Amino acid sequence: SQTIHQWPATLVQPVGSPLSLECTVEGTSNPNLYWYRQAAGRGLQLLFYSVGIGQISSEVPQNLSASRPQDRQFILSSKKLLLSDSGFYLCAGQGPYTDTQYFGPGTRLTVL
Amino acid sequence: RKEVEQDPGPFNVPEGATVAFNCTYSNSASQSFFWYRQDCRKEPKLLMSVYSSGNEDGRFTAQLNRASQYISLLIRDSKLSDSATYLCVVGGGYQKVTFGIGTKLQVIP
Repeated sequence: SQTIHQWPATLVQPVGSPLSLECTVEGTSNPNLYWYRQAAGRGLQLLFYSVGIGQISSEVPQNLSASRPQDRQFILSSKKLLLSDSGFYLCAGQGPYTDTQYFGPGTRLTVL
Repeated sequence: RKEVEQDPGPFNVPEGATVAFNCTYSNSASQSFFWYRQDCRKEPKLLMSVYSSGNEDGRFTAQLNRASQYISLLIRDSKLSDSATYLCVVGGGYQKVTFGIGTKLQVIP
């Protein structure tokens, strides 16, 4: 079974600072990868998904970007954080040939 | 209409009670259905997939009603450890899935 690794677990950043969150996958090849954000008391919002190296689909236009430099690596970035970027960021992996997603432990980001 | 709708609750039930959650979905072409459990400040974890024929895992039973476009989750003999948020998830194939906002369950001693 696949394991999703994310770090750091918590992060406090000032407004205007850059961001880089990394997600790596273990136990499967060619997974679909996803970045979600969950604001306090809210549901999961899909931010980006990727079906392969260098292939990124953006679901919500905003202050963030994603990249997939390797098959099992997915990176979420921002050049300048906003207060509204605070939330719980979750990476998920799926597949191949399955429709079940498995989540990493998440990164809790607070922008001050 | 939202793609996936759930009553956010909270549902407060005594230990030992039976509780049921429903979730409706708008896309009749949806092909995959799941229930996830999310504990406070943790990642969602797969509880069970939902099949057309329904499925049961111990105290948990999931049902799918394609005609009315809803799925349900029944928890029998509730335990304190069942307290969590239960997320309904609906997918259209081997890519994106849509999460409901979740239903919060609090089991009371």
